[in-house]
Amino acid sequence: AQRVTQPEKLLSVFKGAPVELKCNYSYSGSPELFWYVQYSRQRLQLLLRHISRESIKGFTADLNKGETSFHLKKPFAQEEDSAMYYCALSASGTYKYIFGTGTRLKVLA
Amino acid sequence: GAGVSQSPSNKVTEKGKDVELRCDPISGHTALYWYRQSLGQGLEFLIYFQGNSAPDKSGLPSDRFSAERTGGSVSTLTIQRTQQEDSAVYLCASSRDLGQPQHFGDGTRLSIL
Repeated sequence: AQRVTQPEKLLSVFKGAPVELKCNYSYSGSPELFWYVQYSRQRLQLLLRHISRESIKGFTADLNKGETSFHLKKPFAQEEDSAMYYCALSASGTYKYIFGTGTRLKVLA
Repeated sequence: GAGVSQSPSNKVTEKGKDVELRCDPISGHTALYWYRQSLGQGLEFLIYFQGNSAPDKSGLPSDRFSAERTGGSVSTLTIQRTQQEDSAVYLCASSRDLGQPQHFGDGTRLSIL
């Protein structure tokens, strides 16, 4: 069965410190992976997708098929990065998204 | 509209009643999705619609749940004979096509007393 695991419910880092939000998935085929973010009192929105291989707001994520991971990284956290982050998987041939339970990132001043 | 619109934003009802939740997708988006987010849980896929194709209902948790999409636009999620475990935030999303990034609404917070 397809599954997305985000092991940390809460991650606190100081401003300027590196941050890594972990995401592991379980899927035997070729997945498409996404990171969604929800800032306080805002809607859930797409942050980045692995096929784009782009950096958004300084965040990057690399798909590691060997480790079945798609960790989200940023070298220097900013206070405005504080939000809820969700990792999601879409299996090939289907358009259902499987979401993780989310990680709340708190960036401390 | 500018974004996905959901109504009502909050709904409180008694156990056993039926509820209808509405989603108005972004104009021109052919794909529409419903998710449920229970307290402390991730988003749980319920159903998606794509154009005139038969919807993928594989995520609906029971036959008390149903959804329709009229005219390829507005969608209604209906929960019959509500139970307390149905309490959750119900999120709707739309995308230009299947596989394209999804745009989410603000959700409907459903509370069953």
